[in-house]
Amino acid sequence: EAEVAQSPRYKITEKSQAVAFWCDPISGHATLYWYRQILGQGPELLVQFQDESVVDDSQLPKDRFSAERLKGVDSTLKIQPAELGDSAMYLCASSNQGGESYEQYFGPGTRLTVT
Amino acid sequence: SQQGEEDPQALSIQEGENATMNCSYKTSINNLQWYRQNSGRGLVHLILIRSNEREKHSGRLRVTLDTSKKSSSLLITASRAADTASYFCAAHTGGFKTIFGAGTRLFVKA
Repeated sequence: EAEVAQSPRYKITEKSQAVAFWCDPISGHATLYWYRQILGQGPELLVQFQDESVVDDSQLPKDRFSAERLKGVDSTLKIQPAELGDSAMYLCASSNQGGESYEQYFGPGTRLTVT
Repeated sequence: SQQGEEDPQALSIQEGENATMNCSYKTSINNLQWYRQNSGRGLVHLILIRSNEREKHSGRLRVTLDTSKKSSSLLITASRAADTASYFCAAHTGGFKTIFGAGTRLFVKA
């Protein structure tokens, strides 16, 4: 069964350093999402791509976060510089929003710890 | 925060009992979905109910939707220890936007 791949699974970094996360969605899924999930809370959308275009980045802290999906397939989320408050789980999801299918398929996540 | 609200925040029951979780949202929706998350893992889609539906079943899951009250409930019947997880509702609004609730943490005791 096809899955969303994410790497790394765990990342420990010092504050002020740069960090990057990678996501490979399910083949053929045009929509890709990056979420941040703080422990004990639900996922919060950071950025949503439709193919290579950003359709929603209203909650992305653009002074330090950036995201790209250059060829409309895999995607990278970068934080520079990292802050203590960025410690969280970063989840990638993809969906095929054709027709009435809105189900999102999630990867295993990257747990980021900023020290 | 844009998140919806879920109730209760945590629920502890015995194996074999039913578990009911509630979700409220703030805007009009196209559909509402429920997801499950095991500790430290990604979310898994459970069931989707459209705005023109009132009830839907899938195995041991039963979902209801009341658009007039902007609320939904998820019922898990005959719970098992393996059902221990966090459960999230996700409201899909217009413009491709999906907003997740804060989740209910379910613990099923064997």
